[in-house]
Parts: sequence; C-alpha cells; structure tokens
Amino acid sequence: GDSVIQMQGQVTLSENDFLFINCTYSTTGYPTLFWYVQYSGEGPQLLLQVTTANNKGSSRGFEATYDKGTTSFHLQKTSVQEIDSAVYYCAMRDWTGGLSGKLTFGEGTQVTVIS
Amino acid sequence: NSKVIQTPRYLVKGQGQKAKMRCIPEKGHPVVFWYQQNKNNEFKFLINFQNQEVLQQIDMTEKRFSAECPSNSPCSLEIQSSEAGDSALYLCASSLGTGDYEQYFGPGTRLTVL
Repeated sequence: GDSVIQMQGQVTLSENDFLFINCTYSTTGYPTLFWYVQYSGEGPQLLLQVTTANNKGSSRGFEATYDKGTTSFHLQKTSVQEIDSAVYYCAMRDWTGGLSGKLTFGEGTQVTVIS
Repeated sequence: NSKVIQTPRYLVKGQGQKAKMRCIPEKGHPVVFWYQQNKNNEFKFLINFQNQEVLQQIDMTEKRFSAECPSNSPCSLEIQSSEAGDSALYLCASSLGTGDYEQYFGPGTRLTVL
C-alpha cells in the first residue's frame, strides 16, 4: 500500500537558520504530495501541495521540491522564525481504493525555533 | 482559515461507554473525512463520506464505529464501546471533492478513555 516516511522526528534551530525536512513516499500511482503544518491545539492546515506535473510548490516562504527519481519530497525554508515552531507533516493523496481521496501522512517533524 | 467545527473539543469516557463526536463541514463541502491522530502523532484514516454516502472505511471503523453524515445535520462519529486504545485526537476534514481539492481540518475532538 501507499506509505510516507519522515525520518527526522525533531529539529531544533535558531532564528534565521535554514530548515530542511525530507520525506520519501511509496505508491503505485501518480501522487499528489502535501506539506501540512499543525500548531499546538489545532488541526493540521495545508502549507503547500505539489503534483508530479509541476515538481515544486511554495507558500509563506516555504518551498517544496519533488524528485520522482528518488521518490522524495522535501520542505525547506531559508530563514526560520520562532512562529514557525510547529509539527510539519508530509502527506500523499491516495488514488487507489476507489478514488476516495484519503490522505496518508508521515510521522511528523517537530520543529522548534529558538530566538 | 478552516471553518470546520468539531464538538465537543474534549471528551472523557470510561471503558465500554459510547463516545460520540460531531463535525460541521465547511459550507458547500460535500466530502467529509474522519482521521484518528494518536499520541505519537500517527494519523489513521477512519472513514469518509460524499454527501450522505460512505466512500471508504477501514475494518476497525466498520466493526466498532458508527458514523453518518445526514442531510442538513452535523456529521457524527460514535465509538460503540470505548477502549483505552481509542484515546486520541479525532480530526474531521472537509473538501469540495475527492480529487485535487484541499482538505480543511477542524481542531479535533480529544477523546480520553479511562
């Protein structure tokens, strides 16, 4: 079945540091890939999405790049701020099982930015 | 910002008790998803609906949960007999469709089973 793997469970950075989170996926189809961010006490919210057609997406200073060759999908931000502290999830839309549209999430990366 | 409403925000039940939570999707969104997020932040898809019809559900949901999305009423997810392992954050999401549409999540209902 479909799977999404995030190896980095926790990342601690100082303000203005570079953020890089990697995600790998496995699917038999043509995935649409997402990065979601979840702040404490809230549900996840979409940060950006990338399809295999366009390879890149960007939003709020974050950029995501998809690499079909390595089936990886990483998130980066040049200069993080304290408000970026949150849990970041990569996710993939499921195109199997009757096109239900359900998402498969990675394990999440807790990003802590200290000032 | 998401306008998916979930109630209650917190729910405490004893083992064997029923636990019911509700979700009002964003206006005009015909597709509703339920996910379970455990204490390790792992997500598990439970069930989804398009209008009032079930699109997909996992075995656990079919056996132990009761879910519906009636017309003109909130969607609901009910655990028939709560177990300690059901303690989790239950997230409802809605979208315009099952295709390339964003899923908007509510804040979740945190269930604690004592």
